[in-house]
Amino acid sequence: EAGVAQSPRYKIIEKRQSVAFWCNPISGHATLYWYQQILGQGPKLLIQFQNNGVVDDSQLPKDRFSAERLKGVDSTLKIQPAKLEDSAVYLCASSLVEGAVTEAFFGQGTRLTVV
Amino acid sequence: GENVEQHPSTLSVQEGDSAVIKCTYSDSASNYFPWYKQELGKGPQLIIDIRSNVGEKKDQRIAVTLNKTAKHFSLHITETQPEDSAVYFCAASVGNSWGKFQFGAGTQVVVTP
Repeated sequence: EAGVAQSPRYKIIEKRQSVAFWCNPISGHATLYWYQQILGQGPKLLIQFQNNGVVDDSQLPKDRFSAERLKGVDSTLKIQPAKLEDSAVYLCASSLVEGAVTEAFFGQGTRLTVV
Repeated sequence: GENVEQHPSTLSVQEGDSAVIKCTYSDSASNYFPWYKQELGKGPQLIIDIRSNVGEKKDQRIAVTLNKTAKHFSLHITETQPEDSAVYFCAASVGNSWGKFQFGAGTQVVVTP
């Protein structure tokens, strides 16, 4: 079974620039998550999708962050404009069962450095 | 709001010894508690999980215990090996939210030969 795919693996941008991350979840997984992991901390949920609908985006800084999952499969996370404090690893995860709590599978993440 | 606290932040053990990591949570509605292992440059990988209707679960050298009354759960690794060196995260499901998790801050485990 293929895992969660993310790209790019690394990205370095200047502050005020924009950046986009891509995620392809495990086939058939209805739930997709984007997490932000700052160095030395646990992952923090940014947004959760159920198919192509947003379930929870309460922690997403909506003035600069946006995410979409138009066809209920792949997802993109965008930051515009980036700030220095956005430097982190952005993790995408997916889980299978709709409407129930089950394990989440994580991708390798995209390490973003804002300079 | 929801909060998961994890201790210790770093743990150094001799190969063959046991390692114990403890977490507490605040949301009484939490009913699913996964543990993740994260190696350098990789995403978190699930190593064991436990649901609220179970007090203990074991998988080879790894075990997890849950005390719902006290709202704490622990990870136990026995006969540690150098390849157990990694950052370990506990997590707790959040209330009635579908698949939303609150993570602990992580424990850096170093197993020395």
